[in-house]
Amino acid sequence: GAGVSQSPSNKVTEKGKDVELRCDPISGHTALYWYRQSLGQGLEFLIYFQGNSAPDKSGLPSDRFSAERTGGSVSTLTIQRTQQEDSAVYLCASSLDKGRGYNSPLHFGNGTRLTVT
Amino acid sequence: AQTVTQSQPEMSVQEAETVTLSCTYDTSENNYYLFWYKQPPSRQMILVIRQEAYKQQNATENRFSVNFQKAAKSFSLKISDSQLGDTAMYFCAFSTGTASKLTFGTGTRLQVTL
Repeated sequence: GAGVSQSPSNKVTEKGKDVELRCDPISGHTALYWYRQSLGQGLEFLIYFQGNSAPDKSGLPSDRFSAERTGGSVSTLTIQRTQQEDSAVYLCASSLDKGRGYNSPLHFGNGTRLTVT
Repeated sequence: AQTVTQSQPEMSVQEAETVTLSCTYDTSENNYYLFWYKQPPSRQMILVIRQEAYKQQNATENRFSVNFQKAAKSFSLKISDSQLGDTAMYFCAFSTGTASKLTFGTGTRLQVTL
């Protein structure tokens, strides 16, 4: 597709349930990132993929959070046993390379708004 | 650890006027990159402008320009001839030459009024 696609756009779940959030990056982009944006806050880094491997998982807040990427393309962020503090917008981004440089900036999706009731 | 500080939670500007959004950062690295992203109500983060630390010349993209003061670790965004469509959250972001991720500030909500 033309841009980064995330689904669902909005998700309401009950506390304790598991949720899966999907990210479909721009074709050919090897780097993929997950960020979390809580109300009134900036973006909090969660995890970075280069291809199918995740060299940086330092931002995952607990072992309830996990992510995988298959075929160097689609990524899924899974939150197990959701808690109310997990409520946030989860943003995915992709880039041609690691995205840190001038010539390979991040392209973001529209995010998934997760509400845990 | 690198930090990015945006000290203005909210700003307002009249259409056609100029506004400056502040951003400071803290790092011990010498090679790094700075970015401003815009987030409209659609939630999608859109890259507005970027600057490499080793470049002394301030970056400019149409109505958007930066004032990069490396010694002061300051990276402000100036929006000239503000338009209603500029209404959004603006985030300053930082990345080092070796890091795999961007570090973001907490954002400034800009409202452009008639």
